[in-house]
Amino acid sequence: SAVISQKPSRDICQRGTSLTIQCQVDSQVTMMFWYRQQPGQSLTLIATANQGSEATYESGFVIDKFPISRPNLTFSTLTVSNMSPEDSSIYLCSVERGTEQYFGPGTRLTVT
Amino acid sequence: DAKTTQPPSMDCAEGRAANLPCNHSTISGNEYVYWYRQIHSQGPQYIIHGLKNNETNEMASLIITEDRKSSTLILPHATLRDTAVYYCIVRVRRQGAQKLVFGQGTRLTINP
Repeated sequence: SAVISQKPSRDICQRGTSLTIQCQVDSQVTMMFWYRQQPGQSLTLIATANQGSEATYESGFVIDKFPISRPNLTFSTLTVSNMSPEDSSIYLCSVERGTEQYFGPGTRLTVT
Repeated sequence: DAKTTQPPSMDCAEGRAANLPCNHSTISGNEYVYWYRQIHSQGPQYIIHGLKNNETNEMASLIITEDRKSSTLILPHATLRDTAVYYCIVRVRRQGAQKLVFGQGTRLTINP
């Protein structure tokens, strides 16, 4: 398995501001993923972050809104920019290890 | 889009086997079937995965039909702590990476 931590665990932010979420893994991984889970919904993949290259975004998600950094093999950040109430969600980091994929505890974001 | 369909909800009595069905009729020959569960907005927990053979681990068994168009997750002796949303996922290759694309899942309730 993998031990994944996220910071912050939750936050309440005002519209128009930005929040950076951190994801730390206990050992080196190649692929990291960021998901969003809106209230009462399933998980939606935002982007895939491979160390040393630009993140690849899924349809409906753009780099200007969700910039991602991947400075090394154990760390990544996701920024939610220019937030609106529709961005209120749980944001989850996930890592691939072999044929398995593990998820962090999530960051619960509320935008007022 | 997710390649799986699951019943939205199921009930099972405590101590009995819980059998969760999943249809994935468009699965390709090299795509794996994964099962995760999510307990009350925690990060999804990996349960099991398989390609074509039946699989068993300490948590559950996975039965995949011979044509691979459907599968069943079996929790052999369900407990109240198994109440969760269970996701059946076909891992797909998109934009050069293997990705988990979540569907809506099955909300399993274990009753005392």
